[in-house]
Amino acid sequence: DIQMTQSPSTLSASVGDRVTITCRASQSISSLLAWYQQKPGEAPKVLIHKASNLESGVPSRFSGSESGTEFTLTITSLQPDDFGTYYCQQYNSSPLTFGGGTKVEIK
Amino acid sequence: QVPLQESGPGLVKPSGTLSLTCAVADDYISSSDWWSWVRQPPGKGLEWIGEINHSGRANYNPSLRGRVTMSIEKSKNQFSLNVRFVTAADTAVYYCARAEVDGIWSFFDPWGQGTLVTVSS
Repeated sequence: DIQMTQSPSTLSASVGDRVTITCRASQSISSLLAWYQQKPGEAPKVLIHKASNLESGVPSRFSGSESGTEFTLTITSLQPDDFGTYYCQQYNSSPLTFGGGTKVEIK
Repeated sequence: QVPLQESGPGLVKPSGTLSLTCAVADDYISSSDWWSWVRQPPGKGLEWIGEINHSGRANYNPSLRGRVTMSIEKSKNQFSLNVRFVTAADTAVYYCARAEVDGIWSFFDPWGQGTLVTVSS
């Protein structure tokens, strides 16, 4: 199985801050990575697929990038509505696997 | 209209079978060939359970050790999940989702709202 390691596990930031979440794959996944946002009591919502493709309707302050097996989700200017837990997911091979999550709190 | 909606018992006894159904809105059922189940234990992360296509072909996560079966009823616009011999470790919120195929495998969009299943006597 491909292991997805996310960091940090939690972060606290202020409105307007630039926030970066990292996800490292245990082997090459050929850019086949999605990012999700999950708010308490809700289902996850996809933000980005294929490492850097922004889903329709997702604010442009969200972006994704990759360098080898390391993937990054960046929020350029954190907004109050961006609280929640963020997950990465690889879909290069089965079983499909998720990172452990990064909880984002607004200071 | 919510495009996907899970339903089923919220409480299952240990060693029993967990059975859930996902109803898909009419305008969604024809828009994808693959449909998935994902679960999330309380306070924990996400685990892919498996997927099924319109032909009934299924792929399962080996971590479930052969306890999982999925089925699809196209005439009813729904697909189902069975997990046998459940234990407390199967207690989770279960989500159904459309599998967006990108290459060979998929990411998930949209998701149902999820349903909590508790395994307890």
